Amino acid sequence: AQSVTQPDIHITVSEGASLELRCNYSYGATPYLFWYVQSPGQGLQLLLKYFSGDTLVQGIKGFEAEFKRSQSSFNLRKPSVHWSDAAEYFCAVGAFLGGYNKLIFGAGTRLAVHP
Amino acid sequence: EAQVTQNPRYLITVTGKKLTVTCSQNMNHEYMSWYRQDPGLGLRQIYYSMNVEVTDKGDVPEGYKVSRKEKRNFPLILESPSPNQTSLYFCASSLSREVEKLFFGSGTQLSVL
Repeated sequence: AQSVTQPDIHITVSEGASLELRCNYSYGATPYLFWYVQSPGQGLQLLLKYFSGDTLVQGIKGFEAEFKRSQSSFNLRKPSVHWSDAAEYFCAVGAFLGGYNKLIFGAGTRLAVHP
Repeated sequence: EAQVTQNPRYLITVTGKKLTVTCSQNMNHEYMSWYRQDPGLGLRQIYYSMNVEVTDKGDVPEGYKVSRKEKRNFPLILESPSPNQTSLYFCASSLSREVEKLFFGSGTQLSVL
C-alpha cells in the first residue's frame, strides 16, 4: 500500500544551523513527491515537487530536496535555518488511485527554531 | 486573485448539531476535495469530486457528506457531528486530476463538544 513516513515528529534547531527533514515513501511506480509547509494558523504552501529528471530539486524559501530511489527517500534540506522557518512540514506522494491522482501525506514534522 | 475560500475559519459546536463547512473556488477547477488534519496522522482525504454531480469517498468518509451542485462550490456536511470529528479541515481544488496543481484553502478548525 502507498504510504509516507516522516520519522521525526519534532525537530529543534538553532537559527543559522542546517536542517534536514526525513521522508520515506512506499509506492510501486515512479512517484510524484512533494513537500508542503504549514505555518501556524495558515494553510498549506507547496515548497517543492519532484516528478522526474534531476533528483535534486530546488524550491522556495531556500529549500531543496533530493530524491533517492534506492532508499525510497525524499529528504528536505536547508543550509541555514531562519526563525521564520518554524512551522510544520509535510511530505506527500502523488498516487494514481481510482482513476485519478491523489495526495498521500506523511504525519508531519514540527520544526522549532531557537534564536 | 485565484483562491480557495473556506468558511468559517473556526467553529465550535455540540454533538449532534448539523453543520456545513463551505468551500468555494474562483478558478473554474473541475477537481475538488476535502481533507482532515489530525496530530500524528497528517492529512487524510475525506471526499473528492471530479466534476459537478460526481463525488466519491476518500480514505475517511464516515460521518461526512458532500455535494457538488455547482462547479465552484463543494460543501462538507456533518449531519450529526461527534467529538472524534474535532479536527482541522482543508478544502483543495485543481484544474484537472493532476495533484501537482492543487490549491488549498486556509483551513477550518472545528471543535465538537
